[in-house]
Amino acid sequence: DIVMTQSPLSLPVTPGEPASISCRSNQSLLHRNGYTYLDWYLHKPGQPPQLLIYLRSNRASGVPDRFSGSGSGTDFTLKISRVEAEDVGVYYCMQTLQTSWTFGQGTKVEIK
Amino acid sequence: EVQLVQSGAEVKKPGESLRISCKGSGYSFTSYWISWVRQMPGKGLEWMGKIDPSDSYTTSSPSFQGHVTISADKSISTAYLQWSSLKASDTAIYYCARLVGTTTDYWGQGTLVTVSS
Repeated sequence: DIVMTQSPLSLPVTPGEPASISCRSNQSLLHRNGYTYLDWYLHKPGQPPQLLIYLRSNRASGVPDRFSGSGSGTDFTLKISRVEAEDVGVYYCMQTLQTSWTFGQGTKVEIK
Repeated sequence: EVQLVQSGAEVKKPGESLRISCKGSGYSFTSYWISWVRQMPGKGLEWMGKIDPSDSYTTSSPSFQGHVTISADKSISTAYLQWSSLKASDTAIYYCARLVGTTTDYWGQGTLVTVSS
C-alpha cells in the first residue's frame, strides 16, 4: 500500500488567519493519464466525511473558495486562506492511485 | 434526491455474524461504485474496499481481506458489509459512499457497530 503521512497532526488556528496542512506519499500519485490521485476530506464529529478537494486541486461542489489544494508527485498541501470557526474537524488526505486506497493519519484542526 | 441510507446501530458479541447495509435511492444504483470506510473509536479513517453494484466486482484493502465481505444486491439497490465472526476490534463506525470515478460525492450517515462480550 501507498503510505500517506500528514503533518502536523494537530493544528491550533486563529479565525481569520491562514492555515495549511501537508501530506506526503511514499510513491508518486501522478498517473500516466496526467491526473494526480490525491483527495482531501474534512471529518466533523457526528457527520460523515466531506470531500473538499479531488484530484489534487479541484474544489468539490459547494466547498468555499478559501480551501485550495496544491502540490505534485509526492508532496501536497491543503490551504485555508482565512480560517472560520466552522472549519474545525479532522482533515485527511487520501490517495486513490492504486487499487488499494489509503488515508493519511488525519490532522485535527481546532480553534485557539 | 440522491440518498445513501445505512442500517441502524448494532450491538453484537464476539464470534457472532453481522451484515450491515447501505441503500441507495434517487439515482441509478448500478451506475456508481460504492466505497466503504471504517472509523474505529478515537482513530482515523480507513478505506476498506469498494464494489461495482452492476456486477458485484470488488476491490479491497489487504487489511480487510478475509475478514469482511463486501457485496451488493442490485435488485434492491443495496450494498452490504458482512462478517461471519466478529471481533471486539470490529467495533467502529462504518460509512458507505457513492463514487464518481475515484471521488466520493454522497455518503451514508454511518453505522455504529459495537462488539462486546
